[in-house]
Parts: sequence; C-alpha cells; structure tokens
Amino acid sequence: QQPVQSPQAVILREGEDAVINCSSSKALYSVHWYRQKHGEAPVFLMILLKGGEQKGHEKISASFNEKKQQSSLYLTASQLSYSGTYFCGTDLQGAQKLVFGQGTRLTINP
Amino acid sequence: DTGVSQDPRHKITKRGQNVTFRCDPISEHNRLYWYRQTLGQGPEFLTYFQNEAQLEKSRLLSDRFSAERPKGSFSTLEIQRTEQGDSAMYLCASSTEGGPSGNTIYFGEGSWLTVV
Repeated sequence: QQPVQSPQAVILREGEDAVINCSSSKALYSVHWYRQKHGEAPVFLMILLKGGEQKGHEKISASFNEKKQQSSLYLTASQLSYSGTYFCGTDLQGAQKLVFGQGTRLTINP
Repeated sequence: DTGVSQDPRHKITKRGQNVTFRCDPISEHNRLYWYRQTLGQGPEFLTYFQNEAQLEKSRLLSDRFSAERPKGSFSTLEIQRTEQGDSAMYLCASSTEGGPSGNTIYFGEGSWLTVV
C-alpha cells in the first residue's frame, strides 16, 4: 500500500520553513526519507524506526508517530540547495523493502 | 568509497529488442534491490536479493523481466521484447541486512531506458 504524501508541491522563499507529511494506512516498521533532484538518483536523508523518535541533521529533521502511522519531515530556514522532490519510503515488516510515496516537489526561490 | 554503480546510464532501444542493465552494489552490502521510476512518480519496487537469493518479485515484474545476482555480487536486470511502456529509469540500490537500528538503502544513479 503506497503511503500518501502531502502537500504534493510547495514553493518557498529562501529562509522559510516547510513540513512534508507521509501517511500510511498500515502499521509501519520504519520510514526512510530521500531527496531527488531532476535526473539524479534519490539521496538518503534519514531513517526513523517505530518508537516515535525524532531525528535531526543540520536544518532537516523528522518525526515518526507510530500510533498515527505518520512521519513528517521538517526543513528549517530552507536553502536553495533544498530544492527537489522529497520521497518517503515505508517499510512494513522490517524487510527493508520500501514502498515510496508519490513525492513532494519543493521549490526554493531566492 | 564507491557507491552503487549502474551501467549503462542511458539506453535507447527499438521495441521488441532485449536490453540488460548491470548493477554493482556497495561492496559489503548483501542486499540488492531493483526499482523502476517514471517521470513524476516515486520509485516502484521490482525485486530484491539477499546475497544470491532472489527473495521477492513484484507483480509489476512480468515474465519479460528477469533479474539475477550470481555469486551474490553484481546483479543484472534483463528486459526481453521491450515495449514502449518499459521506458523508465531503472534504479538499483543496496544495503546491509536489517538490524535493530535499521539500515540505509543507497541508490545508484539509475539507468534510463527509452524504447522507440
């Protein structure tokens, strides 16, 4: 079952914040976040395991609400380099076979 | 530190021809995945291996698709009798076997296939 990402697209000015959500209809073992620029491979951002943890790395952090079967990615004080499409990949059973959402296209303008 | 390598990066082929893509995973990774991605969509799971064993195949993988991973090292994905609907980017990824901390899945640069 494909997770649902929202919003589908967002346009920001440099320095603004963004939140991208990922929801699943099934219980999740882990959520993996990736960023992909046009014509390039997805680049790993972070992995969150069930347990409601939050992770951070520079100005990008994420949370995982196991009960709600949701994860959110937070981009703080966005930079031009943050532009791209963000995908969440969900793992239902710990098998590391990821099912990806449809993506959220983030555009950062100067 | 080499990442996941894929070859060729781009392939244009005529409908009905066979194509083969190769993937070299990160050397210590025993898991290898194939995904397919079309424009505007997220990657779709095709199949994955643990060492040389193919553990799962998606229903998306018709009989025209076959993947191998001899000796648990590199992998090949072959598409026979290509159709225009096969046009996509084929992504290979690798990881170590999952543990309590989870494991990162690293993607290669992808192989673009255009069927004309």
